[in-house]
Amino acid sequence: NAGVTQTPKFQVLKTGQSMTLQCAQDMNHEYMSWYRQDPGMGLRLIHYSVGAGITDQGEVPNGYNVSRSTTEDFPLRLLSAAPSQTSVYFCASSHRTAHKTQYFGPGTRLLVL
Amino acid sequence: KNEVEQSPQNLTAQEGEFITINCSYSVGISALHWLQQHPGGGIVSLFMLSSGKKKHGRLIATINIQEKHSSLHITASHPRDSAVYICAVSGSKTSYDKVIFGPGTSLSVIP
Repeated sequence: NAGVTQTPKFQVLKTGQSMTLQCAQDMNHEYMSWYRQDPGMGLRLIHYSVGAGITDQGEVPNGYNVSRSTTEDFPLRLLSAAPSQTSVYFCASSHRTAHKTQYFGPGTRLLVL
Repeated sequence: KNEVEQSPQNLTAQEGEFITINCSYSVGISALHWLQQHPGGGIVSLFMLSSGKKKHGRLIATINIQEKHSSLHITASHPRDSAVYICAVSGSKTSYDKVIFGPGTSLSVIP
């Protein structure tokens, strides 16, 4: 099993550009989530999903969209990139709920100029 | 006040020392998670517990539900234990489906 995969590993964007960060898992996990990690701060929840077709906002959802059309995939879309979105983004998944062992992807490092 | 707090923020230890990292939280929870993040960024789950104590190799995690406190202990520390250790909680009444992370404790073990 590949576990949780994320692409790309690194991306540079200009202000105003849009892009999609990809996340996929092959463990048939219902729960998936996106976090951003900034220096000096803990991981902060952007959006999460408890199953296909169901998504909800986390702590810092502004400027991001998600969808969950399949169990495996949970893409994160930046609508119009801003320098404040420069961060490292992690995708995670777990079996059924958030109260299970969390499996993280390797992260995507995003720089917005 | 953050829902999850950790102490110390930074910790330097000599190889072989016994290490304790503390986590306190302010809300009732369903589960508490300990994670490890090495330089280079990968995040790995070490423990998930809702009561009592768990042990894996040289790592021990305990939780006291009544006091809303958990500890992560590392016995016979080694330089390869150098990493950021993150405490997180899930299942609180205000954030039932969310995992809330603490700020992390940066550990450096010197040979």
